[in-house]
Amino acid sequence: AQSVTQLGSHVSVSEGALVLLRCNYSSSVPPYLFWYVQYPNQGLQLLLKYTSAATLVKGINGFEAEFKKSETSFHLTKPSAHMSDAAEYFCAVSLSLGWGYQKVTFGIGTKLQVIP
Amino acid sequence: DTAVSQTPKYLVTQMGNDKSIKCEQNLGHDTMYWYKQDSKKFLKIMFSYNNKELIINETVPNRFSPKSPDKAHLNLHINSLELGDSAVYFCASSQDKAAGNEQFFGPGTRLTVL
Repeated sequence: AQSVTQLGSHVSVSEGALVLLRCNYSSSVPPYLFWYVQYPNQGLQLLLKYTSAATLVKGINGFEAEFKKSETSFHLTKPSAHMSDAAEYFCAVSLSLGWGYQKVTFGIGTKLQVIP
Repeated sequence: DTAVSQTPKYLVTQMGNDKSIKCEQNLGHDTMYWYKQDSKKFLKIMFSYNNKELIINETVPNRFSPKSPDKAHLNLHINSLELGDSAVYFCASSQDKAAGNEQFFGPGTRLTVL
């Protein structure tokens, strides 16, 4: 079975500070991993995804994530937080099921608050 | 030009009623999904369709019946609404059913059952 665990349902950072959102995954096979962002009253949009091409993945809005197999982690970082980064962030894992279709499992989400 | 659209955006109804939510994608994708997001923001897959065929049904009550008239549309009909059905329902699509495909989400439909 696949799962993702996001540590910290709420994270607060000061504007300009480092953003670190944690995600650990559980999978019996090499996974595809995603980070999505949800702004208030909107749907989710993709920040970045890991597909085994490179362990350090760069996404939109200055975010990046590093896949660490030994730690089963895929933490999301951004060097300097902006007020506009305040949102809910979801880590997700995608695995291929028996008939070649994907099942995506989302973490519980981390709400990022940016303090001026 | 909206990629994945849902109607209505808000739906308020009484217990026991039947309601439908419509979803359309103009991305030319083969695969569409319905997700339920509860009040704690937890997102759970309900159904997935590939080229109009049901491929995932995540032990959702029979009161929920998805319908895909063509691969660009995936509608959700809910019979005999219950208080616990109150949530935000998201439609999504991906290029195809393979693992690793990015999902494109609609804006959501906030369902409130009174």
